Amino acid sequence: DSGVTQTPKHLITATGQRVTLRCSPRSGDLSVYWYQQSLDQGLQFLIQYYNGEERAKGNILERFSAQQFPDLHSELNLSSLELGDSALYFCASSVTGEAKNIQYFGAGTRLSVL
Amino acid sequence: GENVEQHPSTLSVQEGDSAVIKCTYSDSASNYFPWYKQELGKRPQLIIDIRSNVGEKKDQRIAVTLNKTAKHFSLHITETQPEDSAVYFCAATPLYGGSQGNLIFGKGTKLSVKP
Repeated sequence: DSGVTQTPKHLITATGQRVTLRCSPRSGDLSVYWYQQSLDQGLQFLIQYYNGEERAKGNILERFSAQQFPDLHSELNLSSLELGDSALYFCASSVTGEAKNIQYFGAGTRLSVL
Repeated sequence: GENVEQHPSTLSVQEGDSAVIKCTYSDSASNYFPWYKQELGKRPQLIIDIRSNVGEKKDQRIAVTLNKTAKHFSLHITETQPEDSAVYFCAATPLYGGSQGNLIFGKGTKLSVKP
């Protein structure tokens, strides 16, 4: 167990809907990362937060948004869902967000858009 | 931005043989290269990493080499065991600067170790 908690584990929804994925980082970690894993694109960096502030954006669609709350948990919001959004979404956390800090991954949320 | 290419996409070896996975990167600013192992249905886990001021790093049966001039790095697993079967991902990121820590991953190598 990495200490990073993601809920829910599975999510099934329909096209056009909106969902929220939740991540609780390891105790003491200030930085949270979101990654999308799909069969054809592999693991893709979406967005990073550090101590409540957005630090960096990767290949995140405009339909997707995220935030990190004062208690350091983070939520990834996916809206106007399309079939292609079906993927495994991972959250990772690290101590400070510096590259030298190991990123610990959660178990992921598997999203199926029907 | 950074682009990481990983080869091969699949690799099958006999137990006890060695396995080598290679990655190339495009951004010369990248100087931290971790490798993650993802077993079926599980989360990626860091197995080894290397920084650009080091050419090689070993940890028991696993080693990573880095050629910064050629912008490529490799994972070497010796004396492979069935429990080494998994998908391995290489990644690259700068150690400093605004994009530090944002891992850019290769597309993965599925390693199968046959008993």
